[in-house]
Amino acid sequence: KAGVTQTPRYLIKTRGQQVTLSCSPISGHRSVSWYQQTPGQGLQFLFEYFSETQRNKGNFPGRFSGRQFSNSRSEMNVSTLELGDSALYLCASSFQGRTNEKLFFGSGTQLSVL
Amino acid sequence: AQKITQTQPGMFVQEKEAVTLDCTYDTSDQSYGLFWYKQPSSGEMIFLIYQGSYDEQNATEGRYSLNFQKARKSANLVISASQLGDSAMYFCAMREGRQFSGGYNKLIFGAGTRLAVHP
Repeated sequence: KAGVTQTPRYLIKTRGQQVTLSCSPISGHRSVSWYQQTPGQGLQFLFEYFSETQRNKGNFPGRFSGRQFSNSRSEMNVSTLELGDSALYLCASSFQGRTNEKLFFGSGTQLSVL
Repeated sequence: AQKITQTQPGMFVQEKEAVTLDCTYDTSDQSYGLFWYKQPSSGEMIFLIYQGSYDEQNATEGRYSLNFQKARKSANLVISASQLGDSAMYFCAMREGRQFSGGYNKLIFGAGTRLAVHP
């Protein structure tokens, strides 16, 4: 069974640009969540999607957005990039996001903003 | 507010020995889940073990076991027979249990413990 797949693995952008990251969950998983990891702030929750609906959102500005498609694949978008957006972005999936479910992560997308 | 505390920034262990990584948590929920993940230098976040708050038995997954002490709010990870490939960052995380008020897969992570396994 394939794991969580994130593309691309690395991205280099300049300030002011926008970027789209992609995540394909484990087959059968319908809950997809996104996290940002930086050396200063650690791992922080961005948002979670289930059945194409955002169910929960972390404390990030509106420049960070996401969506989920009918096949459960998800994308996140960051507009007007800032230097501080440089981070490892991790996607995770589980069946429904219930309390007793295991949560599996992808390998992440390393975003560098110059 | 929910919080995860990992008090050991770095740990050293000799190959083939056991090591315990500490994790304490704070929550007012009765239903919650606790996770441990391993993150090698490559960046991927590897699932190790999961413990539900209502699970009476300590979780085990191969060489990994979770020492769950609910009253003390601790969820320590025990790695038996350490291997060189165990050298990595280890994160403890908690999922809120209030699934009908938006908890779902919002995990709270600790700061991590960097484990170095020496030959």
